[in-house]
Amino acid sequence: DTAVSQTPKYLVTQMGNDKSIKCEQNLGHDTMYWYKQDSKKFLKIMFSYNNKELIINETVPNRFSPKSPDKAHLNLHINSLELGDSAVYFCASSRRGGGRSDEQYFGPGTRLTVT
Amino acid sequence: GENVEQHPSTLSVQEGDSAVIKCTYSDSASNYFPWYKQELGKRPQLIIDIRSNVGEKKDQRIAVTLNKTAKHFSLHITETQPEDSAVYFCAARNAGNMLTFGGGTRLMVKP
Repeated sequence: DTAVSQTPKYLVTQMGNDKSIKCEQNLGHDTMYWYKQDSKKFLKIMFSYNNKELIINETVPNRFSPKSPDKAHLNLHINSLELGDSAVYFCASSRRGGGRSDEQYFGPGTRLTVT
Repeated sequence: GENVEQHPSTLSVQEGDSAVIKCTYSDSASNYFPWYKQELGKRPQLIIDIRSNVGEKKDQRIAVTLNKTAKHFSLHITETQPEDSAVYFCAARNAGNMLTFGGGTRLMVKP
């Protein structure tokens, strides 16, 4: 019973294309995130989103945009893909509040390769 | 913004020995410090966390300590086993609920 799922698992595309990665969580969480993990394994927050606010890491190019059709989904759209966008992208979710609910649950990741 | 530094970047220990990974953070407003374990090709998974009102927390073979004054926290793994081999990430959460991760530590436990 998958808690946070992402599709596709692998994505190979050419420079200049536009692509999307989908994320869904069935945990009833109200906050979702996107992270980028580069080839050196650095994990970097890109976005934090709940139904009230979007927080954007200022270093993220505006070619990247999150879109949330509902509370359980946060998709990542990338325009005009560049070679440097190649990485593993992880979606995560959490519930606001104290206690164990601080935990962020990660999806399985999407390995994006731009050629 | 928050900056988290993690050391060492690689750590090799003999099975049964202890392993210690250290992190420092810059934002004194950060209030939550999780540790994640990531096995090769897998997702990061939470192994232990600590909040800013606690100095130490233990869960079986793993423990985390936090020094708020010095702004550093550490992960301790005792009686290491080969299955502990993975990349470990520390993180700090600021008031905006955003996690900033350290650069990771590749732990190798030799049987």
